[in-house]
Amino acid sequence: AQSVTQPDIHITVSEGASLELRCNYSYGATPYLFWYVQSPGQGLQLLLKYFSGDTLVQGIKGFEAEFKRSQSSFNLRKPSVHWSDAAEYFCAVFGNEKLTFGTGTRLTIIP
Amino acid sequence: GAVVSQHPSWVICKSGTSVKIECRSLDFQATTMFWYRQFPKKSLMLMATSNEGSKATYEQGVEKDKFLINHASLTLSTLTVTSAHPEDSSFYICSARDWTLSYEQYFGPGTRLTVT
Repeated sequence: AQSVTQPDIHITVSEGASLELRCNYSYGATPYLFWYVQSPGQGLQLLLKYFSGDTLVQGIKGFEAEFKRSQSSFNLRKPSVHWSDAAEYFCAVFGNEKLTFGTGTRLTIIP
Repeated sequence: GAVVSQHPSWVICKSGTSVKIECRSLDFQATTMFWYRQFPKKSLMLMATSNEGSKATYEQGVEKDKFLINHASLTLSTLTVTSAHPEDSSFYICSARDWTLSYEQYFGPGTRLTVT
């Protein structure tokens, strides 16, 4: 069975600073990986996805993620965060016909 | 992009009553829909997978008699919480899969259920 680990429960970043959210996955075959963002009381919005090809994927809102097979990682990055980026971020892997989510990382932005 | 709606967005019901939540794919046909439950400050837990015209597949530990799922058409799935109790209070989120993009799911905005 697949699994996803997001080691950071909560991260605080200053507005304008760079951001990296960590994600490690476990899956026996080629993974299909996703990052979602959730604002309080809202559903999930897809930021980006990796299916195959270029290991650096670009998403919406200036986010990018890099797939590293050797490290079983799919970390999310943004060069300069905005106050509106404050939210909960979930990494997920698709396998066995279903999505498995990590426990999420809460991002707080300080002025 | 593909849009999934849920109705209602929030509901309060009394203990012992049943409540139905609808999930609709607005601009695509969803052969498969998924229902998740999210506890406060927790991740999403998959409850069940429903395929249009067939019985839902429930995850281990999910009571199929309490959480009735129907997927009668390619654009509508419903989750009925029967004989609700306070411990059923949660945030329920559905998602739908576009049959042309097998691995991509589109999520609804969620339904907040409070059982008093």
